[in-house]
Amino acid sequence: DAKTTQPNSMESNEEEPVHLPCNHSTISGTDYIHWYRQLPSQGPEYVIHGLTSNVNNRMASLAIAEDRKSSTLILHRATLRDAAVYYCILREVGRQLTFGSGTQLTVLP
Amino acid sequence: KAGVTQTPRYLIKTRGQQVTLSCSPISGHRSVSWYQQTPGQGLQFLFEYFSETQRNKGNFPGRFSGRQFSNSRSEMNVSTLELGDSALYLCASSLETSGPYNEQFFGPGTRLTVL
Repeated sequence: DAKTTQPNSMESNEEEPVHLPCNHSTISGTDYIHWYRQLPSQGPEYVIHGLTSNVNNRMASLAIAEDRKSSTLILHRATLRDAAVYYCILREVGRQLTFGSGTQLTVLP
Repeated sequence: KAGVTQTPRYLIKTRGQQVTLSCSPISGHRSVSWYQQTPGQGLQFLFEYFSETQRNKGNFPGRFSGRQFSNSRSEMNVSTLELGDSALYLCASSLETSGPYNEQFFGPGTRLTVL
């Protein structure tokens, strides 16, 4: 499975945008980029996914580099509820989710 | 729409015993995956079932097994429990097989403690 690299932790102030980076230099042409997050004492939850183009949904935006070797998850206005571990995952066709260590996001009031 | 449910939520067992965990997927979802989460190893994939067939399997010993029933409900079994099996076991369901575009919905997990 192709690997991703994320910072161990990041901090953000409440109501400010957050940019969570992810490097995936060995991504293959058929790998989708998925983001999940895990709030304290809960199972992971889906955030967003994309292949080549930037994607937006009600939770976040996903910006994908032109060469697809990196991507950035953007939370437009962080809230205290967004404090979680964020996982960037490359998902191959027919394969399971392979979680890395993720980024622990702390949101400061 | 009800989410993924897992029972029991908490379980305490002793070494050598066996345990069965249950997962009920979201209605209409046919794929069920199981993950183990520990502080040391993080989230690791155990196996995935689709239409009662195991489709993918992670790198776990044969003591870990699972099955899926015709109503898509799934169980996983761990035999001859070891202390290192203490973990949060998470179940996730999705509409289809593990295609790259299928969102997985996770349950709250079963916290297993082995003494």
